[in-house]
Amino acid sequence: AQKITQTQPGMFVQEKEAVTLDCTYDTSDQSYGLFWYKQPSSGEMIFLIYQGSYDEQNATEGRYSLNFQKARKSANLVISASQLGDSAMYFCAMIPAGSYQLTFGKGTKLSVIP
Amino acid sequence: SAVISQKPSRDICQRGTSLTIQCQVDSQVTMMFWYRQQPGQSLTLIATANQGSEATYESGFVIDKFPISRPNLTFSTLTVSNMSPEDSSIYLCSVGSAGWSYNEQFFGPGTRLTVL
Repeated sequence: AQKITQTQPGMFVQEKEAVTLDCTYDTSDQSYGLFWYKQPSSGEMIFLIYQGSYDEQNATEGRYSLNFQKARKSANLVISASQLGDSAMYFCAMIPAGSYQLTFGKGTKLSVIP
Repeated sequence: SAVISQKPSRDICQRGTSLTIQCQVDSQVTMMFWYRQQPGQSLTLIATANQGSEATYESGFVIDKFPISRPNLTFSTLTVSNMSPEDSSIYLCSVGSAGWSYNEQFFGPGTRLTVL
């Protein structure tokens, strides 16, 4: 079984600053994938970034980067140059290799302050 | 990439009634899933919708309460039966397909359900 832990229920960041959202995971699988999703108040789930467990380099997608530390089982999301539109819930999720079933953390509510 | 639509986008229902939520994909997909997100909570997988056979339910979810159909590779329905206020949630379908990259798993826009 997989477990995702997000210890920050809420975070505040000043506009244009960088912010790190924490995510740790637990799994007995050797091969897995890690995701971050953004959920604005509208409720839709927006894919941000993906990291495979065997990927040697940290994933990056525009202003989003994933700080993957496999030995520590952490997959923190870094958002650079925060924008007001980044205010939303952020969920870390995990998937075992060969599956499409996601296990989600409890989420972090990010608020960007002008 | 796939385009997913859900109907209805939101609804307000009375206790004891049932609501059927539709999920339509613009291409054939191998896997379709239904998730529930209760207010202020994370997403929890309800079941995997299997084409041509009964859905596979996760622990805590049963077919009598959440019957699911999947008549073809582009469409699925989730019914929330005999609703109570505890069923007030966002219900989301997601799809994946063999051969897709993992960053291609998509979610529908969700159905926001309020039960009075």
